Amino acid sequence: GAVVSQHPSRVICKSGTSVKIECRSLDFQATTMFWYRQFPKKSLMLMATSNEGSKATYEQGVEKDKFLINHASLTLSTLTVTSAHPEDSSFYICSAVGREGQETQYFGPGTRLLVL
Amino acid sequence: EDQVTQSPEALRLQEGESSSLNCSYTVSGLRGLFWYRQDPGKGPEFLFTLYSAGEEKEKERLKATLTKKESFLHITAPKPEDSATYLCAVQTSGTYKYIFGTGTRLKVLA
Repeated sequence: GAVVSQHPSRVICKSGTSVKIECRSLDFQATTMFWYRQFPKKSLMLMATSNEGSKATYEQGVEKDKFLINHASLTLSTLTVTSAHPEDSSFYICSAVGREGQETQYFGPGTRLLVL
Repeated sequence: EDQVTQSPEALRLQEGESSSLNCSYTVSGLRGLFWYRQDPGKGPEFLFTLYSAGEEKEKERLKATLTKKESFLHITAPKPEDSATYLCAVQTSGTYKYIFGTGTRLKVLA
């Protein structure tokens, strides 16, 4: 149980294009999903928290117009990197929390983004 | 300010050589402490959740313990397949957000 998937697993795009990453909870309903970014040999940096049906809450320093988050259902959240630039290249990971009172975050496998 | 610190930053062990990883925390109110394993190029894999001082949990060669100031992840007789980065995260009261430590990179040599 508690499986989270991400798609795509890796993507290469040209500078200026937009990229959408999907995060799905496969066997549970996720009341809250999180989006992280991870640099090589560094820990995870929280970008934003999303709750189904409401606007995402972004961490300080994260541009909400650059990283669009939509939590359309209890099993799907999407992160769109708009007008991507080489500095957006990174490893993006989502996580999901289940029912109220269930605190453990379950992580997806990550998406490697390379912007040329 | 809430803070989580992991030590050592990196650790090399011979196969069978037991050791412990440390996660020290200072938070206003602890909701839970979580241990994850992360392999290169993959997302973190859940290992343990600890809620209160004195609590212990075990899984195969791993055992996690918790005090009011720190948590230890004990690895007994490790094998090369235990090589990974081990992440500690703390969740404070009133939020589901994690505060992550910087991780311990473990390498177990055959």
